[in-house]
Amino acid sequence: DGGITQSPKYLFRKEGQNVTLSCEQNLNHDAMYWYRQDPGQGLRLIYYSQIVNDFQKGDIAEGYSVSREKKESFPLTVTSAQKNPTAFYLCASKGQGFLRVNTEAFFGQGTRLTVV
Amino acid sequence: QQPVQSPQAVILREGEDAVINCSSSKALYSVHWYRQKHGEAPVFLMILLKGGEQKGHDKISASFNEKKQQSSLYLTASQLSYSGTYFCGTVHTDKLIFGTGTRLQVFP
Repeated sequence: DGGITQSPKYLFRKEGQNVTLSCEQNLNHDAMYWYRQDPGQGLRLIYYSQIVNDFQKGDIAEGYSVSREKKESFPLTVTSAQKNPTAFYLCASKGQGFLRVNTEAFFGQGTRLTVV
Repeated sequence: QQPVQSPQAVILREGEDAVINCSSSKALYSVHWYRQKHGEAPVFLMILLKGGEQKGHDKISASFNEKKQQSSLYLTASQLSYSGTYFCGTVHTDKLIFGTGTRLQVFP
């Protein structure tokens, strides 16, 4: 079955550490996205990528980094520069469709990151 | 830049109706609607496209006013399973951006 997989489901980070969240999709989608969700808040865009080896900053990219070496994979690294990383992180992918507007996004099950 | 949704929260009894609004400061070519249950991934409900094409859900309807840059989601005869947080999403220069969210609770 096609889908999008995030791992791990729960992650604990010590202050000063970098951690990497995995996101893999087998939907053959070109576009992939990372969002951050805080309790009771909406989804804020961290980074997005429309094509392999290219990615763009979203609205809250500071303290995060990504790579897109393969179409299926879009890992997110939360660096020590991110001062408040505790949140729920969601990865999504989307087909291009016509003018990139008429296709829905599919989400992974999320990774809950906690700083200890 | 983030679309604004209203109301922020809605409480309903089973069988009642609700309307959730989404407003953007930028021109809209399409509006997406998703529902998220607590601690889970958002699930796609519907896409509305400029020009009237619609793709999505049988039991939920929506409207899209391109001139006003607004969309509304209509939930009729609500069921307990409708509870969750609803997000609208808009696509701008390849960015998929979501609104502030509307929390809907349906009680028996």
